[in-house]
Amino acid sequence: ETGVTQSPTHLIKTRGQQVTLRCSSQSGHNTVSWYQQALGQGPQFIFQYYREEENGRGNFPPRFSGLQFPNYSSELNVNALELDDSALYLCASSLGRVRTGELFFGEGSRLTVL
Amino acid sequence: SQQGEEDPQALSIQEGENATMNCSYKTSINNLQWYRQNSGRGLVHLILIRSNEREKHSGRLRVTLDTSKKSSSLLITASRAADTASYFCATDVSGNTGKLIFGQGTTLQVKP
Repeated sequence: ETGVTQSPTHLIKTRGQQVTLRCSSQSGHNTVSWYQQALGQGPQFIFQYYREEENGRGNFPPRFSGLQFPNYSSELNVNALELDDSALYLCASSLGRVRTGELFFGEGSRLTVL
Repeated sequence: SQQGEEDPQALSIQEGENATMNCSYKTSINNLQWYRQNSGRGLVHLILIRSNEREKHSGRLRVTLDTSKKSSSLLITASRAADTASYFCATDVSGNTGKLIFGQGTTLQVKP
């Protein structure tokens, strides 16, 4: 139990639609990272938010966007969904720039795009 | 692009045996971490080894790091059926900020 919760757990969308995924970070953690994990692959870094500002981005197009709120919860928004966006989306929280670098992951939101 | 390459991709052993998974990476790192993922679930952090460390233990887990070869190994001793999962190595290449680059993973099956 990592204390990181994600919603919804599963959802189905059609191509061209928009989706919002939500993440509540572990208490006291001020950094949230989002990862995309396609079936059979390792997670791919999307972006990270630290104290409500984007703090790094992976190789994902601008239609992937995010927000972090004052309580450090976060949203991932994906516009103009494509079939290849079908994946498990993982949120991970951590305590800013602490030395460990350990991430605490939620159980993920599984998105299916038809 | 993937930084880490895990080997083997899949491993099947009997309960009680040891399981060894290897990870190679391409660029200099600050630390390397191993995570475990049960099917379709979130990832769970197992162990972190810093670039200036060569070996680390945690319970039945032993991790080694060879920065000259840019490789790491994870050894699970006396495996149990409950160890059945996918195991990923992840590298932090830009300081301890949590922007990890994951490998493709090793799927471990432990037969009772």
